[in-house]
Amino acid sequence: EVQLVESGGVVVQPGGSLRLSCAASGFTFDDYAMHWVRQAPGKGLEWVSLISWDGGSTYYADSVKGRFTISRDNSKNSLYLQMNSLRAEDTALYYCAKDAMLDYWGQGTLVTVSS
Amino acid sequence: DVVMTQSPLSLPVTLGQPASISCRSSQSLVHSDGNTYLNWFQQRPGQSPRRLIYKVSNRDSGVPDRFSGSGSGTDFTLKISRVEAEDVGVYYCMQGTHWPLTFGGGTKVEIK
Repeated sequence: EVQLVESGGVVVQPGGSLRLSCAASGFTFDDYAMHWVRQAPGKGLEWVSLISWDGGSTYYADSVKGRFTISRDNSKNSLYLQMNSLRAEDTALYYCAKDAMLDYWGQGTLVTVSS
Repeated sequence: DVVMTQSPLSLPVTLGQPASISCRSSQSLVHSDGNTYLNWFQQRPGQSPRRLIYKVSNRDSGVPDRFSGSGSGTDFTLKISRVEAEDVGVYYCMQGTHWPLTFGGGTKVEIK
């Protein structure tokens, strides 16, 4: 059974940094690209970032480019999102999702940016 | 960026009746490889999104056959042949043909 478990979400001040993690199990992690997608409270879905199976290619939404960094450790079956220079508008539930076409999603981890 | 426009925003439906959600893209979603990367997701209240349909019309494993996807180019539709209580939630289309990936604004399905 595919499982994706996000962690690391907390309350952080504007300008602060945070690292999210996504622990994957139930599939061959290094066979698949992985995404981060976020959802602001009461709002729709916004794609954030994608990393290729080997970490060699990464893509970002303009809203996070230069501030967020996606990475993975295939030896640990883990996906990460380093978030710097956080803003109030980054407040959201952050999901990791498997495969280029997002076939499985985790339960999300909540990031709140507030002073 | 490709804009995905869903309609209606809200869809009250009687149990057992059909429902239809429209999704239109601002550009053709036909990829240079010949595929059309249009997905549909369901998000039940308090839950994570779940993929229902990929590449326009392919149903994911475990998805009831009352769900179907159709369309081409810039116009796509998700149909529920007979709405059940468990279908309540928000439905999103998403295009994966052009960077960045973009989602529609969502359609809330509720029972009348």
